[in-house]
Amino acid sequence: AQTVTQSQPEMSVQEAETVTLSCTYDTSESDYYLFWYKQPPSRQMILVIRQEAYKQQNATENRFSVNFQKAAKSFSLKISDSQLGDAAMYFCAGGYSGAGSYQLTFGKGTKLSVIP
Amino acid sequence: DSGVTQTPKHLITATGQRVTLRCSPRSGDLSVYWYQQSLDQGLQFLIQYYNGEERAKGNILERFSAQQFPDLHSELNLSSLELGDSALYFCASNLGHLVGNEQFFGPGTRLTVL
Repeated sequence: AQTVTQSQPEMSVQEAETVTLSCTYDTSESDYYLFWYKQPPSRQMILVIRQEAYKQQNATENRFSVNFQKAAKSFSLKISDSQLGDAAMYFCAGGYSGAGSYQLTFGKGTKLSVIP
Repeated sequence: DSGVTQTPKHLITATGQRVTLRCSPRSGDLSVYWYQQSLDQGLQFLIQYYNGEERAKGNILERFSAQQFPDLHSELNLSSLELGDSALYFCASNLGHLVGNEQFFGPGTRLTVL
């Protein structure tokens, strides 16, 4: 079984500052991807960034980047130059290829507040 | 807009009733996933269909069932509803071929059981 753990239920950041959201995972699969999804008050699930487990290089998407530590099974999200629109729930998720299915296993989420 | 549509947006019903949630995947996507988001359990995978066939089951109750039709739309049937079934139900879709394929989520159906 795969597990994804987000240990920070809530976090806050000042506008224009940087914040890091933590995530750890556990899997015995060798082929997997890791994702961060954002869920704003509208409830829509929006992909922020994804990381291939076989890649050493950390993924980056504009102001969003990850710190992927495979040996430690850690996958944190860094948001730089935080904006008011970044306020949302953030979910870490793992996508695993076991048994031919690619369903996502989600963490419990971190609620991010951005202070003007 | 993800390209995934779900109907209805909101559903209010009583305990013991049966409802059907509908999902239309993005054009070209063969795989449909259903997730349940509740306050106490978070986001949980329920079931996946790929090109009409059930591919995987997660934490889906026996009172729940799903199917994917030849036109690839999917329906999630919830019966003998209980108060605890109140949740946001998401449908997601992707090509389904590779584990790294992004899953595109629909806007969700908010189910309230009274």
